[in-house]
Amino acid sequence: ILNVEQSPQSLHVQEGDSTNFTCSFPSSNFYALHWYRWETAKSPEALFVMTLNGDEKKKGRISATLNTKEGYSYLYIKGSQPEDSATYLCALRHNTDKLIFGTGTRLQVFP
Amino acid sequence: NAGVTQTPKFRVLKTGQSMTLLCAQDMNHEYMYWYRQDPGMGLRLIHYSVGEGTTAKGEVPDGYNVSRLKKQNFLLGLESAAPSQTSVYFCASSRNTGELFFGEGSRLTVL
Repeated sequence: ILNVEQSPQSLHVQEGDSTNFTCSFPSSNFYALHWYRWETAKSPEALFVMTLNGDEKKKGRISATLNTKEGYSYLYIKGSQPEDSATYLCALRHNTDKLIFGTGTRLQVFP
Repeated sequence: NAGVTQTPKFRVLKTGQSMTLLCAQDMNHEYMYWYRQDPGMGLRLIHYSVGEGTTAKGEVPDGYNVSRLKKQNFLLGLESAAPSQTSVYFCASSRNTGELFFGEGSRLTVL
């Protein structure tokens, strides 16, 4: 059974604060690590797909890093805005087939 | 572009009834997935398919069956619905092992 863990479960920050979340996963048979952003009443949308140890990806104020040897990925948001409020999901692709999601980190950014 | 379309969007069933959820994608994606979303549990993989005519079990396959007779369609069946299957169901597709594109979700209530 693949266990993908995310922390913290929820996070409340003030507008302008920078924040980060963690995704932990078993490092054996790693194929790829995905990050998704899920706004309330919408469907999840992909942020990043990361495959190589040491990968760093960036999209605007959001960036992510990957350590496949120790089994973790960090998602960073610089200068959080209210529109960043969402649930952030990571997912592990194991051996090129199934994609298993963590339970997510719910971020709320207050003006 | 339609992307990933799920039908129906809402359904209420009585215990023991059967139904089928249809997922259709117009992106010529090889991989398709069915997930269920329950409070506090994130997205859990029910079944998935890596190509036309193939299906495989995910994390929570019991009580569900699937078929992928055509590349663009992935059907999820409930043979005898139970209240534990009350959930929001999401279909997704991907170009091989790339990012997932999600449908809008189907809310199923089993009384």
